[in-house]
This record gives sequence, C-alpha cells and structure tokens, in this order.
Amino acid sequence: QKEVEQDPGPLSVPEGAIVSLNCTYSNSAFQYFMWYRQYSRKGPELLMYTYSSGNKEDGRFTAQVDKSSKYISLFIRDSQPSDSATYLCASPSSASKIIFGSGTRLSIRP
Amino acid sequence: GAVVSQHPSRVICKSGTSVKIECRSLDFQATTMFWYRQFPKQSLMLMATSNEGSKATYEQGVEKDKFLINHASLTLSTLTVTSAHPEDSSFYICSASVTGGEAYEQYFGPGTRLTVT
Repeated sequence: QKEVEQDPGPLSVPEGAIVSLNCTYSNSAFQYFMWYRQYSRKGPELLMYTYSSGNKEDGRFTAQVDKSSKYISLFIRDSQPSDSATYLCASPSSASKIIFGSGTRLSIRP
Repeated sequence: GAVVSQHPSRVICKSGTSVKIECRSLDFQATTMFWYRQFPKQSLMLMATSNEGSKATYEQGVEKDKFLINHASLTLSTLTVTSAHPEDSSFYICSASVTGGEAYEQYFGPGTRLTVT
C-alpha cells in the first residue's frame, strides 16, 4: 500500500465549477499535509499546507484534513482555465522527506 | 523570494555519455538539497538528499555510482548521470530547503527533462 494515494484522473470540469481533489494516506504519524500544483513540464509549486486536522482557506482554495479517516481534500471554487494542471497531495514522513501522491490531472473547460 | 533554478531545462544525450544537471538556490542559502525523478504521469520519487559539504544520502534502489551528487556550496548542487541509458530518460527535479525549515518549506526547481537516445 502506498503511503499517499491519489486518483490520477484526469478530471475535466467546466469553468466556474467547484473542484474537489482527494487523497488518502496510511501513516497515522503524518502531521503536515501539502498540496502542490504542477504545470506541464514544470516543477511543483506549493499551494497550501495544513497542520493536523481542520480546514484552511486561501482565496479560491480550501484544504481540508480529516485525520480520523486519513482523508485529505483540496477544493477549488470558481475554477478557471488557468487552474488546469496536475495537483499533488503530499506529506512529510520525516523532517525532510516528502511523500507525494501520484497527482490528479485537472482540466478546466472554458 | 525562495527561487530555485535548474540548468539545463532540457538535454538530449547519447547512450553511454554522462550529463550534468545544476540546481541553484538564487536568493537563499540551501543547507539541504533534494533530487527527485518523475516519470510521465507519475509522482515525484526522491532519489537522494544532499547536505552542503557532505556526502549525499541515497534512497533505496538508487545507484550512487550512477547518479553522482555534489553539493559543494550553499547555493549549488549538481547531479551527474553517468553512462546514461535510455531508461534514465526522465524528468529530474531538485528542491532546496534552509536549515531548520519545515518539510513544506522545500522550494522546487523547474525541472530538467533528460532524453537519452
């Protein structure tokens, strides 16, 4: 079992829709949870991070962690074509090592 | 701030040759740098962790003699793929972090696409 599991998609939604991206993880010791956005042929960029359970909002993006079910979500409101990218969830297994999900390819249709 | 660059962005080399990829932290000193490998439609896999002035720590299954890492300064790390073969073709991404930084404070470079013919 992978430590971080993510549906690879692809996921295609119309512009303006609410997008829900999800991951599960297996290691109950994970404390930090991150979401990265990766455009084609580019390195990942950190979108948001959360610590332990709860929600965190940043503009159109909301990250949610439910540690009881080991479930991580990223919601994108009012999705834009520029949001089309691969989204990776991740968690550090140690002070420096990050475990990434496989990424979900998202396409926003104009 | 926190910009990491990589050079080259794309490289094509012939089988059996070696190729060097540079990773630079442009506006901060990176005590630790990381090298990842990403196959198409797959996730990033950590290859090795390097600390300035010391030997790199390689992940299980990564050949240290094939993937030579040098972290000679606080702003530069290099990855040399020696005797490259077509199966080494991949997207190589580096990241950098500062001393005492949290794991989410790794800053990623734009990646280098290596094609071995």
